[in-house]
Amino acid sequence: DAKTTQPTSMDCAEGRAANLPCNHSTISGNEYVYWYRQIHSQGPQYIIHGLKNNETNEMASLIITEDRKSSTLILPHATLRDTAVYYCIVRVSGNTPLVFGKGTRLSVIA
Amino acid sequence: GAGVSQTPSNKVTEKGKYVELRCDPISGHTALYWYRQSLGQGPEFLIYFQGTGAADDSGLPNDRFFAVRPEGSVSTLKIQRTERGDSAVYLCASSADTSEAEQFFGPGTRLTVL
Repeated sequence: DAKTTQPTSMDCAEGRAANLPCNHSTISGNEYVYWYRQIHSQGPQYIIHGLKNNETNEMASLIITEDRKSSTLILPHATLRDTAVYYCIVRVSGNTPLVFGKGTRLSVIA
Repeated sequence: GAGVSQTPSNKVTEKGKYVELRCDPISGHTALYWYRQSLGQGPEFLIYFQGTGAADDSGLPNDRFFAVRPEGSVSTLKIQRTERGDSAVYLCASSADTSEAEQFFGPGTRLTVL
C-alpha cells in the first residue's frame, strides 16, 4: 500500500502557482520523497525528489517539512500542459519499485 | 537520446490466448521494471530486473505471468491463458544503477482481453 495521502483533485488557474500537498507521516529516516506525474495516455514522468532539504529544478520545487511528515510540490507558473495526475511516493534509495497511490488530479484552467 | 519504447502500443486478444509484450529500455540502464495500470488507478508494480535476473517478482499476480530479460536489455512480459481481468495498460520503466536513480517510463501497452 502507498505510504502517502494526497487530495483526489485540485484546480489551478493558468499562470498561477500550483501547490500540491502530500502527507507521509510514517516516512522512515532513509526514505526519500519522490514526485512523478502522468499526463493522459502517457507513462509517468519523474519531476523531483528530496530527502530532507528543499529542492528545486527546472520543473518544480519541493518543500519538505522539518519533521518530514509532509511535503508540497510547487509548480511556480502552471500551464495547461501541466494538467495531469501527480503522484507523491516515498522510497528508499537504490533501485526499488515505486509504490503509487491514486495521486492528485490537477486541472489547470485557462 | 531514445527513451523507453514498448511494443505493441495496443493489443487486443481473446480470453484464453497467450500474449507477449516487449520493452526496450534506455541503453545502458541495468534496472528494468514492469508495472500494470488499471483504469483510474496508479501503476502497480509487477517485477523488477537487475541485469538479466529478476531481483523482485513479488508483484506478479499469479503463475500465468512471466517475464524475461535474457541479455540484460530488452525484456518480454508473457501472459498465458489471458483473462478479462488482465485488461490494463502495462508500463515498463528503466533506470541507471545509481542510488537515487529516477525511473524513465515507456508509453505503455494497452492490453484488452475480450
